[in-house]
Amino acid sequence: SAVISQKPSRDICQRGTSLTIQCQVDSQVTMMFWYRQQPGQSLTLIATANQGSEATYESGFVIDKFPISRPNLTFSTLTVSNMSPEDSSIYLCSVKMGGSYNEQFFGPGTRLTVL
Amino acid sequence: AQSVAQPEDQVNVAEGNPLTVKCTYSVSGNPYLFWYVQYPNRGLQFLLKYITGDNLVKGSYGFEAEFNKSQTSFHLKKPSALVSDSALYFCAVRDNTGGFKTIFGAGTRLFVKA
Repeated sequence: SAVISQKPSRDICQRGTSLTIQCQVDSQVTMMFWYRQQPGQSLTLIATANQGSEATYESGFVIDKFPISRPNLTFSTLTVSNMSPEDSSIYLCSVKMGGSYNEQFFGPGTRLTVL
Repeated sequence: AQSVAQPEDQVNVAEGNPLTVKCTYSVSGNPYLFWYVQYPNRGLQFLLKYITGDNLVKGSYGFEAEFNKSQTSFHLKKPSALVSDSALYFCAVRDNTGGFKTIFGAGTRLFVKA
């Protein structure tokens, strides 16, 4: 298993500003992902954070809006840029180790409110 | 393309009664299937998974799930519900072709009444 921490746990931001969310894992992991979740709703994959290279974004998400870094196997950041109220959501970091049949582990989430 | 359906937004059950949370899936190959639970104001926790073999898999907190290939279903079950089981449950699927993308269902809120 993996223990994942995220910072900040929540934030309230002004429209037009940017917020960087940090994800720290207690062990080296193969894959790291960033999800968005509206409270009480399903998860939407934003991107896969690739160590040492550009992230792989899902349809509807672009690097200019959600730049991601992954400098090593235990850490990643997601930036939500030029925020609008529509970006208000919970952002979850997730990791997977080992084979493709393995489960994912999730961080506690960052609850973002944009005014 | 992969997809997951959880047909019930909410399931209500009395404490001590058996519970079932339904999930059906669609994948191009053979599936890896997962159940996760999310308690209020917390991240998702892994409950159980099906990879291959026995169709009945057992997981955390007394939960189990039955894989039915012909019905493409993976329903979550528990023989006797607890009030503390009240949470949001997500079914998820990944194909076994070596990909890593997991598709999550819309979620089912389980409410267990004392």
